[in-house]
Amino acid sequence: EDQVTQSPEALRLQEGESSSLNCSYTVSGLRGLFWYRQDPGKGPEFLFTLYSAGEEKEKERLKATLTKKESFLHITAPKPEDSATYLCAVHSTDSWGKLQFGAGTQVVVTP
Amino acid sequence: DTEVTQTPKHLVMGMTNKKSLKCEQHMGHRAMYWYKQKAKKPPELMFVYSYEKLSINESVPSRFSPECPNSSLLNLHLHALQPEDSALYLCASSQVPEGAWSNIQYFGAGTRLSVL
Repeated sequence: EDQVTQSPEALRLQEGESSSLNCSYTVSGLRGLFWYRQDPGKGPEFLFTLYSAGEEKEKERLKATLTKKESFLHITAPKPEDSATYLCAVHSTDSWGKLQFGAGTQVVVTP
Repeated sequence: DTEVTQTPKHLVMGMTNKKSLKCEQHMGHRAMYWYKQKAKKPPELMFVYSYEKLSINESVPSRFSPECPNSSLLNLHLHALQPEDSALYLCASSQVPEGAWSNIQYFGAGTRLSVL
């Protein structure tokens, strides 16, 4: 069965204090791994898709990387507006249209 | 433009009411999804439509009835809901996953539903 585990559950950072979020996954075959950002009471906002081990993508202060067992979301010099819940989701070859979401990491960045 | 529009933003209904949630996208996507999200939890898939046909029903109770009248619209009809059905209901759309590839799901802002 597909499993997605995110750690830590919550992360409190000072502005400018870089850190990384982890997404560990177990799937029979990977179609794609997705990172979303979700603000309270809003829908998830797409950040990145990664398809194969070794792939990296960047957007502003965020960088996502992928290995065969996990993905990292690196936040470099975060600002308060980076505060959100970050969700990792996996699309496996066993599930045609279904994403398996992790529980998310809640990030709070203080000035 | 990657916008998925959901209406209404908020909905309060009694357990005997009938209401509908609406979702619209104009990205040409032929896969559309309904998710339910409780507080502090990830989204849970409810239904998937592909080319306007129901492809996945995640054993959702019949008090939730989805409808896809055309390739841009998705409705969720609600009837005789329970208080535990109170949640954020999210709509998403994507290109239809073909072969071994995956496609990005774009989410709407959601409808906050409260059942009294």
